[in-house]
Amino acid sequence: EFGLTQSPDTLSLAPGESATLSCRATQNAGNTYVAWYHQRPGQAPRLLIYAASNRAAGIPDRLSGGGSGTDFTLTFSRVEPDDSGMYYCQQYGFPPYPFGQGTNLQI
Amino acid sequence: QVQLQESGPRLVKPSGTLSLTCHVSGDFISTNHWWAWVRQLPGKGLEWIGEIYHDGGTNYNPSLENRLRMSIDKSKTLFSLNLSSVTAADTAVYYCVRRSFYTWTRDYRFEFWGQGALVTVSS
Repeated sequence: EFGLTQSPDTLSLAPGESATLSCRATQNAGNTYVAWYHQRPGQAPRLLIYAASNRAAGIPDRLSGGGSGTDFTLTFSRVEPDDSGMYYCQQYGFPPYPFGQGTNLQI
Repeated sequence: QVQLQESGPRLVKPSGTLSLTCHVSGDFISTNHWWAWVRQLPGKGLEWIGEIYHDGGTNYNPSLENRLRMSIDKSKTLFSLNLSSVTAADTAVYYCVRRSFYTWTRDYRFEFWGQGALVTVSS
């Protein structure tokens, strides 16, 4: 069964530091329909990155997505306090569009 | 700006049917997108439930499909979720989502989300 594993589970950083979140698929999906989301407590997920490396509307360029095959990343050139929260990756190329278990980013 | 809003009972009895409606504003249901439901179990990750197209075509999560029914009303710009035979394991925040289609990337990204509705299954 296709699945996604994110690492690390938790990441604690100071403002201004850089960060890389990882998302590994159990098999090569054959496409780059991978998205990243940010979720704050009590809020809906917000789309950050689609098709592995494209920023959604309004997302600053200090965030970038990359990867292919089975390994994908979300990178912050420098983190800010508002970046705190959960980050989820998702494969949305074919059902059931699984999500990773999430990384908790603490700034 | 596209906005989605979930409505429906927040408390459902075990073995009953969970029913939610998503009201869409700022867009037409007849556009070239899929309209989806995603849930988040308490303190846990996200799970895609299913989706419906403007012509009534559906895709359902295999783990739920024998209890699931979705419908769409283009004239009222809303779509609905019905999940039958619920148990406490179905207690979750339910989100409705527009999966937006963009021609140049030919992908259906989960772009616009409702604020979510916490539905509790309890007697």
